[in-house]
Amino acid sequence: DTAVSQTPKYLVTQMGNDKSIKCEQNLGHDTMYWYKQDSKKFLKIMFSYNNKELIINETVPNRFSPKSPDKAHLNLHINSLELGDSAVYFCASSQAGTSTYFGPGTRLTVT
Amino acid sequence: DAKTTQPTSMDCAEGRAANLPCNHSTISGNEYVYWYRQIHSQGPQYIIHGLKNNETNEMASLIITEDRKSSTLILPHATLRDTAVYYCIVRPLQTGANNLFFGTGTRLTVIP
Repeated sequence: DTAVSQTPKYLVTQMGNDKSIKCEQNLGHDTMYWYKQDSKKFLKIMFSYNNKELIINETVPNRFSPKSPDKAHLNLHINSLELGDSAVYFCASSQAGTSTYFGPGTRLTVT
Repeated sequence: DAKTTQPTSMDCAEGRAANLPCNHSTISGNEYVYWYRQIHSQGPQYIIHGLKNNETNEMASLIITEDRKSSTLILPHATLRDTAVYYCIVRPLQTGANNLFFGTGTRLTVIP
């Protein structure tokens, strides 16, 4: 049983395109997140979404936008993709007072 | 959140105990110590957390010094599958979002 799942696992696209990464959690958690891991393996939080409250890391460009159709999903939309957006993106979820569960990651390559 | 300092890398022989240290000298009274690990090409995985008492679960033990300025994660019998980057994170246990700020971690290599 997959707790946090992401699709696709790999995404290769060209500069300037718009793409989305989907995330679903079946843990009943009330908070979901997106993290980015760059080529140097630094793992940084991008967004957290809790009860319709979005907290954005100030360093994230506004080309990135999370969208939550319901409590179990937090999709990541990226507009006008740039070379520097190439990274592995991890979705995660947690409930207050519990540990955070991460998805398997989506490797995005922008050419 | 308080800053943590970890060695860049460590080796451990298979079957031996792996002891991973973490310094968090600026930890606040309400901050917990969390440990996560990331096995190659996978998402980070929660291991254990504690406030001031030592903790043990099926994966590991966490030893926190009395002054709480440092801690040690112990994998009692390391296996090859424990090869990963281990992250020590300190943060409050709070309601709402549980944002995690990862440092560079310790790359543990378990050697056959």
